[in-house]
Amino acid sequence: NAGVTQTPKFRVLKTGQSMTLLCAQDMNHEYMYWYRQDPGMGLRLIHYSVGEGTTAKGEVPDGYNVSRLKKQNFLLGLESAAPSQTSVYFCASGLGQMGLKNTEAFFGQGTRLTVV
Amino acid sequence: TQLLEQSPQFLSIQEGENLTVYCNSSSVFSSLQWYRQEPGEGPVLLVTVVTGGEVKKLKRLTFQFGDARKDSSLHITAAQPGDTGLYLCAGAQAVTGNQFYFGTGTSLTVIP
Repeated sequence: NAGVTQTPKFRVLKTGQSMTLLCAQDMNHEYMYWYRQDPGMGLRLIHYSVGEGTTAKGEVPDGYNVSRLKKQNFLLGLESAAPSQTSVYFCASGLGQMGLKNTEAFFGQGTRLTVV
Repeated sequence: TQLLEQSPQFLSIQEGENLTVYCNSSSVFSSLQWYRQEPGEGPVLLVTVVTGGEVKKLKRLTFQFGDARKDSSLHITAAQPGDTGLYLCAGAQAVTGNQFYFGTGTSLTVIP
């Protein structure tokens, strides 16, 4: 049972470098999400997708781009990394909109990103 | 300012003690969820409550949704070291078409 898999698990970037975080789910879920988690702030939504080929902005989208070319994959890109993007990034997927009754979201194990 | 404020932010208790974690907002939520997150892992859903005043029990954990659907609480009876983790509330905000927000989190440590 792979569930939601994130790669890489750890990464250190220099300011201005770019990278892509990959999220893969094998549960045939329509909805996928990217969150960042910072101390004392809980999880904040960066971008989300309600199906293959669709993406939408969340609460904190600036500095990030996403793509959902295949239903099972949701990519998060940082074009020019900044120290403020140092965080733990979580991907999640679910059958329906997060928070609705009988709709459970499943999270990956996270990617710890440090920008120096 | 976070939409969902949790208190306390940190809690350290002895095994066997009881505790309550609070999740408060000035906004109304269509539903509210509680998650538990262990170090190095993603959050795992514990419960979803959708009706004002609703109480749900999960073994030693009791979850309550406020009558006005603006707040929630998590009560743990006879805490065990296995309860250690970060507890997150999260809710679908009614006025924004159920946009989903996470709370600030409560880090619980249960000392054997």
